[in-house]
Amino acid sequence: EVQLVESGGGLVQPGGSLRLSCTASGFTFNTYRMKWVRQAPGKGLECIASIGTSLFTEHYADSVKGRFTVSRDNAKNSAYLQMNSLTAEDSAVYYCVREVEMWQQDYFYYMDLWGKGTTVTVSS
Amino acid sequence: DIQMTQSPRSLSASVGDRVTITCRANQNIKSHLNWYQQKSGKAPELLIYAASGLPSWVPSRFSGSGSGTDFTLTITSLQPEDFATYYCQQAYSTAPYTFGPGTKVEIK
Repeated sequence: EVQLVESGGGLVQPGGSLRLSCTASGFTFNTYRMKWVRQAPGKGLECIASIGTSLFTEHYADSVKGRFTVSRDNAKNSAYLQMNSLTAEDSAVYYCVREVEMWQQDYFYYMDLWGKGTTVTVSS
Repeated sequence: DIQMTQSPRSLSASVGDRVTITCRANQNIKSHLNWYQQKSGKAPELLIYAASGLPSWVPSRFSGSGSGTDFTLTITSLQPEDFATYYCQQAYSTAPYTFGPGTKVEIK
């Protein structure tokens, strides 16, 4: 089955750290860019991190730059999100997402496979 | 940074209605615009890619149009399973990309 499964969420104190994992199955993991998208309670979607395929190029939203690090292990079909210096504003459901690259007279990108999400709560 | 807006932010409609949601970017993003549907308590799902592309699993009552800065998502005949929140997302600037604030479609 083609799927993404996140793990590692939980309750953490302000200033603490957490590492999220995303395990992929059913597709050739190393050919897709992977992203992390979060959604705070009652709020919209925020794309916070992205990691490329072979060169592992990373991109971050300003809201997490310098605190979060995205990585991947293609041998384990897994992506990770290391989150440091967490604040209450980081409390959210975190989704692992697969991104498709499509050539149609230009390169187009879209997110076609989402995990169910893992919940991170930052509170004392 | 590219900012996305959506209108309306919420709407009430009946089964069978035609529904139109608008998304606007603050700069030209050509056709690099995707739409996602999110049902309550669930992960988002891809609905439209590249402004007007329809994934094979998405019903044909959904369609997207537009280019540049103005885009539209249309549902030709609203079904009970379509009550959800809809997000547009630009995929033009350097990743990570930005989403619109969402439009909640509710039952009238």
